[in-house]
Amino acid sequence: DGGITQSPKYLFRKEGQNVTLSCEQNLNHDAMYWYRQDPGQGLRLIYYSQIVNDFQKGDIAEGYSVSREKKESFPLTVTSAQKNPTAFYLCASSIGGVRETQYFGPGTRLLVL
Amino acid sequence: GENVEQHPSTLSVQEGDSAVIKCTYSDSASNYFPWYKQELGKRPQLIIDIRSNVGEKKDQRIAVTLNKTAKHFSLHITETQPEDSAVYFCAASMNTGGFKTIFGAGTRLFVKA
Repeated sequence: DGGITQSPKYLFRKEGQNVTLSCEQNLNHDAMYWYRQDPGQGLRLIYYSQIVNDFQKGDIAEGYSVSREKKESFPLTVTSAQKNPTAFYLCASSIGGVRETQYFGPGTRLLVL
Repeated sequence: GENVEQHPSTLSVQEGDSAVIKCTYSDSASNYFPWYKQELGKRPQLIIDIRSNVGEKKDQRIAVTLNKTAKHFSLHITETQPEDSAVYFCAASMNTGGFKTIFGAGTRLFVKA
């Protein structure tokens, strides 16, 4: 798990602002994922990518966007269309496919000013 | 839609006792069942997993059982220690032409010394 990093640790967003969360991995994993974690709830999938230049929407993709231009990077943008963005965001990666263990980053806590 | 229910939401045990957390899933196509442990402020980490062709798996003080007919699986922790205190998440994954991992809402385990 030390091979997957997220930044920043804390992020503050103003009304109407887009913000981007960084996720980098040096594990040579093909698949990467973004989850949102709210208090008292499990992890909900926002977006996932199985290979470079390809990504798919998860269950709660509205108000978010991603890119996968490089194998090791999978940034998440929280757009102004996301009306309730306050949450803990977790990035994960796996060798490939859903049946492989997912390794999580340390997370980014997003707060709205 | 697909759903994973996890019980209990909170569990308090005395050090040395056993702890059992149960999950049920709705989609019979699920074929991979990981368990993650998340300590306060840290990332989720895999502690054990089981695949659909196995009924039970054990790793030291941790075991997982799977009943595919009833669509439920359980985590068993024996001889609990204070450092077992954390939130535990179950998940059910399937690969049916598209990615799908559904997480339970989590169980907060307190181990009292």
